[in-house]
Amino acid sequence: EVQLLESGGGLVQPGGSLRLSCAASGFTFKNYAIHWVRQAPGKGLDWVSAISGSGDATYYSASVKGRFTISRDNSKNALYLQMNSLRAEDTAVYYCAKESMVTLGGAIGEMDVWGQGTTVSVSS
Amino acid sequence: QSVLTQPPSASGTPGQRVTISCSGSSSNIESNTVNWYQHFPGTAPKFLIYSNHRRPSGVPDRFSGSKSGTSASLAISGLQSEDEAYYYCSTWDDSLNGPVFGGGTKVTVL
Repeated sequence: EVQLLESGGGLVQPGGSLRLSCAASGFTFKNYAIHWVRQAPGKGLDWVSAISGSGDATYYSASVKGRFTISRDNSKNALYLQMNSLRAEDTAVYYCAKESMVTLGGAIGEMDVWGQGTTVSVSS
Repeated sequence: QSVLTQPPSASGTPGQRVTISCSGSSSNIESNTVNWYQHFPGTAPKFLIYSNHRRPSGVPDRFSGSKSGTSASLAISGLQSEDEAYYYCSTWDDSLNGPVFGGGTKVTVL
């Protein structure tokens, strides 16, 4: 069974840092791009970042570019999101999501399996 | 403000057909395929429609998608109580170089 499990969420002060992890199982991890998508309280889904299967290509939304860094360790079937300079507006449930197709070196944004999410709260 | 525009709500009685619209632009919907997700609050979003109209395995054929120009739509026929959820359209945006989502539509079964 294909599964994604996020961890690392918590309460952090504005300006602080947090590192999210996503553990994958049930598929050939290195073949698929993976995304981070968030949902702020009372809001809709908001794409954050993506990384290609090889890790060579990364993508960021304008709202997090320069503050967040996505990475992956294909030997551990793990995805990460390093979040720095956190703001109140980064408060959200963060989901990792797998692309539906093998895409060599890129991403297409078609997400077929999602994790249950991990909650990040930025507040003083 | 979302890049893709959806109505905030839609409703129908059991058995009725409900349609949700998704409006975009030449850099997103017109140039790329559209996906739809079903989301029950507090759970993982579910992959509902891909490539404009294709259904992943296990998705009932009551759900159908279409696209024309810069707009797309999701139709739910034979509405059931378990269809009460939020629905999001999504596609790749060539200008932003990433996927974009609509604001979401809450479907209520009356």
